[in-house]
Amino acid sequence: QVQLVESGGGVVQPGRSLRLSCAASGFSFSSYAMHWVRQAPGKGLEWVAVISYDGTNNYYADSVKGRFTISRDNSKNTLYLQMNSLRAEDTAVYYCARGETVTIGPDGFGHDYFDYWGQGTLVTVSS
Amino acid sequence: EIVLTQSPGTLSLSPGERATLSCRASQSVSSSYLAWYQQKAGQAPRLLIHGASSRATGIPDRFSGSGSGTDFTLTISRLEPEDFAVYYCQQYGSSYTFGQGTKLEIK
Repeated sequence: QVQLVESGGGVVQPGRSLRLSCAASGFSFSSYAMHWVRQAPGKGLEWVAVISYDGTNNYYADSVKGRFTISRDNSKNTLYLQMNSLRAEDTAVYYCARGETVTIGPDGFGHDYFDYWGQGTLVTVSS
Repeated sequence: EIVLTQSPGTLSLSPGERATLSCRASQSVSSSYLAWYQQKAGQAPRLLIHGASSRATGIPDRFSGSGSGTDFTLTISRLEPEDFAVYYCQQYGSSYTFGQGTKLEIK
């Protein structure tokens, strides 16, 4: 069965960095786009970033562009999110999600819905 | 950016009743790239509907989605106790955005 297990969350000071991981199993990881989605405490869902199945394309929400980097290691079936220059407003539960790609646009940006989600890892940015 | 507005914010119903949740987009969602997710407290979201009306694997047929363009609806035909949760719509036609959620609570 499909499993996504996030790790790496914790408490970090503003301006510091943190790297999240998402270990995938139960499916052909290298065949799927992968996403990060976050949820601030008591709030709704916010899409963060996506990486294509082969890692050649990635896109970010404006709120994290230039600070966060999504990457993957298909040999390890693992997705990453490197978060730099963290701010209080980045405090959230971070979920990884598998993207089921319906089509891919001419710019390489996929149209994915999220069919499997991990359980999430909490990141708290506080001094 | 496509903004999704869900209504109502909270819906109070009893088991056995019919629930109708609305999701309105600020501009047309191309090719009906609209999904619905269910989230229970302390859990990850779960995919219910994609392509506006296609049920995800394992989702009971009491859940149905409809709509196109800017207006979409999630209907739960006969509420079961386990259906009380928060529901989000999401569009994936132009980047990715979520609605703010509708909380379905027991009356």
